Amino acid sequence: KQEVTQIPAALSVPEGENLVLNCSFTDSAIYNLQWFRQDPGKGLTSLLLIQSSQREQTSGRLNASLDKSSGRSTLYIAASQPGDSATYLCAFSGSARQLTFGSGTQLTVLP
Amino acid sequence: SAVISQKPSRDICQRGTSLTIQCQVDSQVTMMFWYRQQPGQSLTLIATANQGSEATYESGFVIDKFPISRPNLTFSTLTVSNMSPEDSSIYLCSFLAGGGETQYFGPGTRLLVL
Repeated sequence: KQEVTQIPAALSVPEGENLVLNCSFTDSAIYNLQWFRQDPGKGLTSLLLIQSSQREQTSGRLNASLDKSSGRSTLYIAASQPGDSATYLCAFSGSARQLTFGSGTQLTVLP
Repeated sequence: SAVISQKPSRDICQRGTSLTIQCQVDSQVTMMFWYRQQPGQSLTLIATANQGSEATYESGFVIDKFPISRPNLTFSTLTVSNMSPEDSSIYLCSFLAGGGETQYFGPGTRLLVL
């Protein structure tokens, strides 16, 4: 059974700092990986999708990488802003497209 | 991208009652999913709901407790039956549009059972 771990559980950084969120998984037989953000009282917003055949995806200040051999994915956020404050979740999809979520990293960007 | 909505957005219910949550997408989608997020926890898949077939439930979830309907390609319902305080959670639906791999989520239904 796939297990997904996110480190750190919480992170507080000053505005403008670059940061990396980590996600590790136990089963390399993944179909794809998604990173989401969840704002308090709201649903999930999809940030990036990486197919299993890909190594990274970029969108604006966000870059996500996938290394199946080591069972790791990272989300890099450049020049962080207070509006980036949220909980970030990674999730892996099997062939049936069900998502297995990590426990999340709660990010606070201080002005 | 398609817009997805859920009703109700939140509810407070009494123990032993049932609540039906509606999920509506503004375009036809192939696969829909229902997830639960218990307080302080991450999301856990309840079931996969595909139009024209019975829902497929994950381990630990049963149809009698969480009956699901998927009458067409734009709509699904999840019922939380015979509720107890342990059912207090956020319930979210999600979907995969045809040919796409990105999963989109509804805003969630926040349920409190007293």
